[in-house]
Amino acid sequence: NAGVTQTPKFRVLKTGQSMTLLCAQDMNHEYMYWYRQDPGMGLRLIHYSVGEGTTAKGEVPDGYNVSRLKKQNFLLGLESAAPSQTSVYFCASSPGRGVGQFFGPGTRLTVL
Amino acid sequence: GQQLNQSPQSMFIQEGEDVSMNCTSSSIFNTWLWYKQDPGEGPVLLIALYKAGELTSNGRLTAQFGITRKDSFLNISASIPSDVGIYFCAGQGGSEKLVFGKGTKLTVNP
Repeated sequence: NAGVTQTPKFRVLKTGQSMTLLCAQDMNHEYMYWYRQDPGMGLRLIHYSVGEGTTAKGEVPDGYNVSRLKKQNFLLGLESAAPSQTSVYFCASSPGRGVGQFFGPGTRLTVL
Repeated sequence: GQQLNQSPQSMFIQEGEDVSMNCTSSSIFNTWLWYKQDPGEGPVLLIALYKAGELTSNGRLTAQFGITRKDSFLNISASIPSDVGIYFCAGQGGSEKLVFGKGTKLTVNP
C-alpha cells in the first residue's frame, strides 16, 4: 500500500495562476482532508470530504475549491493564486470518525 | 472555535533524558491523538487514545487520556537523536474534524 500520496511535491506559481493539487489514497478511506501548514500556525483545515461526491468547508476555505469525484481522490484547486497561499499543503484520510487521520508527504507551494 | 494549548513550544534536551509534553483544551474530546512530524515530511500518527484515563505505550512513548477528557500528555523515555522533530497533539469531539495543537519542537543533543 502506498497510503496517501500527493502530486506534485513542489510548485512555484505566479500571482493569478491556477493549479490543482491531487491527493490519492489506496486504503479505501471514507474521509479525506486538505490542510495548510504555516510557521507558527500549526495545521489548519481548508476543506474536507466525508464521502465520494461530498465536500465541506474547514477553517480557512477562502480562495480554494475541492472535488471528490472518486472515493480515492481528493483534489484541491486554486483558481487565482495569491502570495498568501504560499504554504505547505497536506492531504489526509481517515476510515471514519474518531480513529485518527493519515497524512501524505505534502506539497510545498510558493506563489510569487 | 475549539483550541488546544500545547506546551512547551520547544525543548532542548540531552540524549538519554526523558521528555514530557502536554495538551489542554477548554472542550471535551472523545479521542486524543499524538503525531510526530520530521522535517519535510507529513505528520505520522504515534498513539491514539479513545477512553478517559487510558494509558497507552508505543515503544519508548507513553501517552495518557486525561480523566476530565480535556487534556493529554506524551512522555518519551531515554531520548535518542532520531526523536528530533515536531510533536503535535490532536483532539476529536463529535465531528469528523480534528483540532490540532501548535506543536512541540524537540531537539536532542547527542
